[in-house]
Amino acid sequence: EVQLVQSGVGVKKPGESLRISCQASGYKFVAYWIGWVRQMPGKGLEWMGIIYPSDSDTRYSPSFEGQVTISVDKSINTAYLEWNSLKVSDTAMYFCARSTFVGVATSFDLWGQGTRVTVSS
Amino acid sequence: EIVLTQSPGTLSLSPGERATLSCRASQSVSSSYLAWYQQRPGQAPRLLIYGASTRATGIPVRFSGSGSGTDFALTISSLQSEDFAIYYCHQYNDWPRTFGQGTKVEIK
Repeated sequence: EVQLVQSGVGVKKPGESLRISCQASGYKFVAYWIGWVRQMPGKGLEWMGIIYPSDSDTRYSPSFEGQVTISVDKSINTAYLEWNSLKVSDTAMYFCARSTFVGVATSFDLWGQGTRVTVSS
Repeated sequence: EIVLTQSPGTLSLSPGERATLSCRASQSVSSSYLAWYQQRPGQAPRLLIYGASTRATGIPVRFSGSGSGTDFALTISSLQSEDFAIYYCHQYNDWPRTFGQGTKVEIK
């Protein structure tokens, strides 16, 4: 089955680090860009950044550049979203999603189930 | 950065009615690199339309997309109960990619 499965709920304190994951299965992982999308409570979708697993070419939204790191481990078909120092304002649902077409960063046709991150003291 | 402005913010309609949602871009989205998604409560978004007017796999024909340049629209020809949700447009013409703020379609 073609799917993206995300890691579970994360509850952290401000200043802590966190890495959440998105494991792909059922398709050729390295061929499709994978992006990350934030949804704060009760709010809309925000495009954070995207990575091409084949060569790790990564693009960030200016709103998120320097705040998070996107990476992949091709050996286990997994993409990551990482924070070095969480803030309360990072509390949100985070989705990973796959680009629709091979090799180009387009619309997202396959989505993970989301990872809820809560940052609270 | 291309800013996408969706209108209206909320659309109150009855089942069976036609819904027309608008997405306006702050600069031209060439080659119609625009997509639409549906998000139901507690679920991940679902791709409806890409390339401004191409339905994604498995999407019912009552959903259609149109437009070019800076003005795009999503039309739902006859609302079904499962269509009451939030809809987002998304441009992938330029970096960074961006989403509109969403239009909520609610039952009147």
